[in-house]
Amino acid sequence: QLQLQESGSGLVKPSQTLSLTCGVSGGSVTSGDYSWGWIRQPPGKGLEWIGYIYHSGSTYYNPALKSRVSISVDRSNNQFSLKLISVTAADTAVYYCARGQPPANPGGLLGVWFDPWGQGTLVTVSS
Amino acid sequence: DIQMTQSPSSLSASVGDRVTITCRASQSISSFLNWYQQKPGKAPKVLIYAASRLHSGVPSRFSGSGSGTDFTLTISSLQPEDFATYYCQQSYSAPHTFGGGTKVEIK
Repeated sequence: QLQLQESGSGLVKPSQTLSLTCGVSGGSVTSGDYSWGWIRQPPGKGLEWIGYIYHSGSTYYNPALKSRVSISVDRSNNQFSLKLISVTAADTAVYYCARGQPPANPGGLLGVWFDPWGQGTLVTVSS
Repeated sequence: DIQMTQSPSSLSASVGDRVTITCRASQSISSFLNWYQQKPGKAPKVLIYAASRLHSGVPSRFSGSGSGTDFTLTISSLQPEDFATYYCQQSYSAPHTFGGGTKVEIK
């Protein structure tokens, strides 16, 4: 059974870089036409799609974050990572990693849905 | 970006009630619509994908319908474990936006 686990700093200072890693167990980040994604949820609010990466390295980002975000995959350690630069208090959220199911258009985004999800990790941006 | 609007934002219902949640997209998304359930302090879980396809292991009292811009999630007979927040998500074009959520509470 595939399991995902987020790890990283829970407290980041304003203007610094948020870095999180999602460890994958029970499966491989290189298997099939799955994508590997990040979603966040500010405290008490709704969900925001951050982006995806395929094991080929192809990435898709939310345009609202595109200038600040990068997602990478580490095949040797079976994990993928999120970096968000120049953070502010508005980036305080629970960050989830998840596997994206194969799309209707191979290598694309059409019809992708998330399953499973990691348990989530709270990142607070504060001095 | 495609805007996803859910209604109602919250509702109160009793065990055994039939519950319907609506999700409207700001433009046509064909059938690329997913539904998730989230309980407090937990990660969301997928219930329905591609508008009407029940994810493996999800009870058959959950069903989804719709295409184009209007979609519904129906719980045919609400159970105690169904009290949660439900989100729709479009996966037609990036960014894959979510609706604002519908909180289902105990009456």
